[in-house]
Amino acid sequence: DVKVTQSSRYLVKRTGEKVFLECVQDMDHENMFWYRQDPGLGLRLIYFSYDVKMKEKGDIPEGYSVSREKKERFSLILESASTNQTSMYLCASSRRTSGTTDTQYFGPGTRLTVL
Amino acid sequence: LAKTTQPISMDSYEGQEVNITCSHNNIATNDYITWYQQFPSQGPRFIIQGYKTKVTNEVASLFIPADRKSSTLSLPRVSLSDTAVYYCLVGDRRGTGGFKTIFGAGTRLFVKA
Repeated sequence: DVKVTQSSRYLVKRTGEKVFLECVQDMDHENMFWYRQDPGLGLRLIYFSYDVKMKEKGDIPEGYSVSREKKERFSLILESASTNQTSMYLCASSRRTSGTTDTQYFGPGTRLTVL
Repeated sequence: LAKTTQPISMDSYEGQEVNITCSHNNIATNDYITWYQQFPSQGPRFIIQGYKTKVTNEVASLFIPADRKSSTLSLPRVSLSDTAVYYCLVGDRRGTGGFKTIFGAGTRLFVKA
């Protein structure tokens, strides 16, 4: 079974802090994703990566950065956390296939609260 | 961009068949249609994927008409444990090499006893 793990289930930080969210997958997937999920808005893509050191902006990249130094690990960084970044953060990975829809495997999520 | 439209919520009773329809008018020729299920406090998980006509697995069926502008997820004989949010999405390729999909707001299914 594919396993995607996230470093924390719950995290509380203060405004202005630098926050690191870590995600690790064990299936040698090329693609990795970071989403945030807010009530009524579904999942919104922040960044995705299709290879080591490669990244592309999703729909809401402002206020976030990412790092992918190893294939299995994808980090989301909040340089200076703000209260509007309080949310559920979900990491996912998928195999790079020839089709345009890759089955994504999700981690359990990190609920981040910024005070 | 191939975005999707689904009902915000649906109610059902145990033992009934539930059909959730999704519109995707701008689906591209090579796009597949995928459905995910999400329980509270968990990440979404894959249910079913199809390109055209009908696909069936042990969990659900997916019906796709010839024009592929919509699709219907069918859950046979739902139980209370099927209460979840269901997302319909189609593939969208952006950037220099990456593939990604777009999640909408999903359909919240509530199954009553």
